[in-house]
Amino acid sequence: DAGVTQSPTHLIKTRGQQVTLRCSPKSGHDTVSWYQQALGQGPQFIFQYYEEEERQRGNFPDRFSGHQFPNYSSELNVNALWLGDSALYLCASSPNKGKETQYFGPGTRLLVL
Amino acid sequence: TQLLEQSPQFLSIQEGENLTVYCNSSSVFSSLQWYRQEPGEGPVLLVTVVTGGEVKKLKRLTFQFGDARKDSSLHITAAQPGDTGLYLCAGRSYGQNFVFGPGTRLSVLP
Repeated sequence: DAGVTQSPTHLIKTRGQQVTLRCSPKSGHDTVSWYQQALGQGPQFIFQYYEEEERQRGNFPDRFSGHQFPNYSSELNVNALWLGDSALYLCASSPNKGKETQYFGPGTRLLVL
Repeated sequence: TQLLEQSPQFLSIQEGENLTVYCNSSSVFSSLQWYRQEPGEGPVLLVTVVTGGEVKKLKRLTFQFGDARKDSSLHITAAQPGDTGLYLCAGRSYGQNFVFGPGTRLSVLP
């Protein structure tokens, strides 16, 4: 049983570019959350997707958007990248009825130059 | 805005020593979680506590949720090098998503 998988593992972009990160949830999970973890900090909640809709959103600008597909996989898109967007982006999946238990993927490390 | 503080920020100890790390907030949480994160990996859930005063044990790890549900502690007995990592606490209020603290980075030296 595969856990949460994310791709790519590492990515380098320049300011102003756009990026798409991908996440496949753990088998049987239908809820996907995205977090940003800056160096030396704890993860910060970006948003959560359930039934292909954004259910909750943290304090992130509209440059951050997402999508969930019918197979529950998800994408995180960031437009007009800033240097400050450099971070580890974590995806976590959970069963909707067991939202207390999140399983995290290994993350995508994004560097913006 | 909910804020979680964790202390100490860094901790370096010898194998076999005991340690306690703390997680504090001015907010009341309906549940609180502890995670361990190792370099290059995502956080791994260790425990969830939901009742004020609750104590949970996981082998050499003891977790306690404060009576007022605003704080928590993690005690490790006889630390081992495999306990090395970033320990994160995350609190959740009703209807909200989890808010993470900045973490305590633990290094256990052999």
